Amino acid sequence: QQQVKQSPQSLIVQKGGISIINCAYENTAFDYFPWYQQFPGKGPALLIAIRPDVSEKKEGRFTISFNKSAKQFSLHIMDSQPGDSATYFCAASPRGSEKLVFGKGMKLTVNP
Amino acid sequence: GAGVSQSPSNKVTEKGKDVELRCDPISGHTALYWYRQSLGQGLEFLIYFQGNSAPDKSGLPSDRFSAERTGGSVSTLTIQRTQQEDSAVYLCASRTGTREQYFGPGTRLTVT
Repeated sequence: QQQVKQSPQSLIVQKGGISIINCAYENTAFDYFPWYQQFPGKGPALLIAIRPDVSEKKEGRFTISFNKSAKQFSLHIMDSQPGDSATYFCAASPRGSEKLVFGKGMKLTVNP
Repeated sequence: GAGVSQSPSNKVTEKGKDVELRCDPISGHTALYWYRQSLGQGLEFLIYFQGNSAPDKSGLPSDRFSAERTGGSVSTLTIQRTQQEDSAVYLCASRTGTREQYFGPGTRLTVT
């Protein structure tokens, strides 16, 4: 049972464009939602995280939007750059738990 | 400061052999996690250590898998009688007081 569903599986955007990655969840006990960026041969790197009491969080070119009623959250990458080409994972963790449940990942390619 | 380090970076072993994977967490981080990343299953939680508490082993896939954490710092993940389906990247993460988990570069295990 996949607890966090991520879409699309892959995305190609032009430099300067906006990249949008969507995730949906069912477990209402989730109360922590981080996004990770992973380059080939490297471990996942924490990008930005949000809790359900906040509808939006922005850090630089990265913004998380959170819709608690729809149980959906998304990552927006503004002014996408070729250096942003990587695999992006959304994740969620239940209240009182240490486990991160990951989405399947999305491979982003930003063309110059 | 230094991030999470893991060794070896790559390990090739024959089916049936035992392997040990090592993780050095970020200095001062009290919690340590092991995850497995494979093509078919994505990123999966394996085990979690926090201080002197009993570890959460709920993600270990079989009794061939075990882990220990000595002195509240270094951790070793041991896989006995390796099988081809154990081939994956094994990732270690650590955190301090917040919920932000920081990952190491991983050990790529190939079972032939």
